[in-house]
Amino acid sequence: EDQVTQSPEALRLQEGESSSLNCSYTVSGLRGLFWYRQDPGKGPEFLFTLYSAGEEKEKERLKATLTKKESFLHITAPKPEDSATYLCAVHPNTGNQFYFGTGTSLTVIP
Amino acid sequence: DAGITQSPRHKVTETGTPVTLRCHQTENHRYMYWYRQDPGHGLRLIHYSYGVKDTDKGEVSDGYSVSRSKTEDFLLTLESATSSQTSVYFCAIGQGAREQYFGPGTRLTVT
Repeated sequence: EDQVTQSPEALRLQEGESSSLNCSYTVSGLRGLFWYRQDPGKGPEFLFTLYSAGEEKEKERLKATLTKKESFLHITAPKPEDSATYLCAVHPNTGNQFYFGTGTSLTVIP
Repeated sequence: DAGITQSPRHKVTETGTPVTLRCHQTENHRYMYWYRQDPGHGLRLIHYSYGVKDTDKGEVSDGYSVSRSKTEDFLLTLESATSSQTSVYFCAIGQGAREQYFGPGTRLTVT
């Protein structure tokens, strides 16, 4: 069964304190892994797509990496405006569905 | 922002009534999706469409139906609303295996 697990569920950081969010997945074959940011009361906003192990993508203070079993979203020197819920999703090789994790709620304290 | 709108944005309805939510896109994307988001469950796929009049079920499709008569519109119908269908509903668009873009959501309360 295709599964996506994110950890931790919640994370509180001081401004400038770097950390990583984890997304572990179990799929028969991976077509793509996606990271989204979701602010309260809004729809998820696309951040990154990763297709193969070893791939990395960066955007401002965020960097996403991928291995054969998990992905990390590294946040370097976060700012309060990085506070949001970060969602991970996988698209298996078979079928047209995407499977989402339950997210990590990040709070960055000034 | 990707051109996706959802209507209504908020709705309160009574148990047993039919409800239709609308998703409209201006991006000409082939795929459209309906998800529901509930605490502790994350986003779960209800139905999706891979073209006009081409739809398929997702993991939580019971009690829901969809229709797509035009590329730009994807309708989600709750045939007889129940309290368990109280949720936030998101529409998304995409090009298959690539990233999806989400609408602003519809908050539905069934009393």
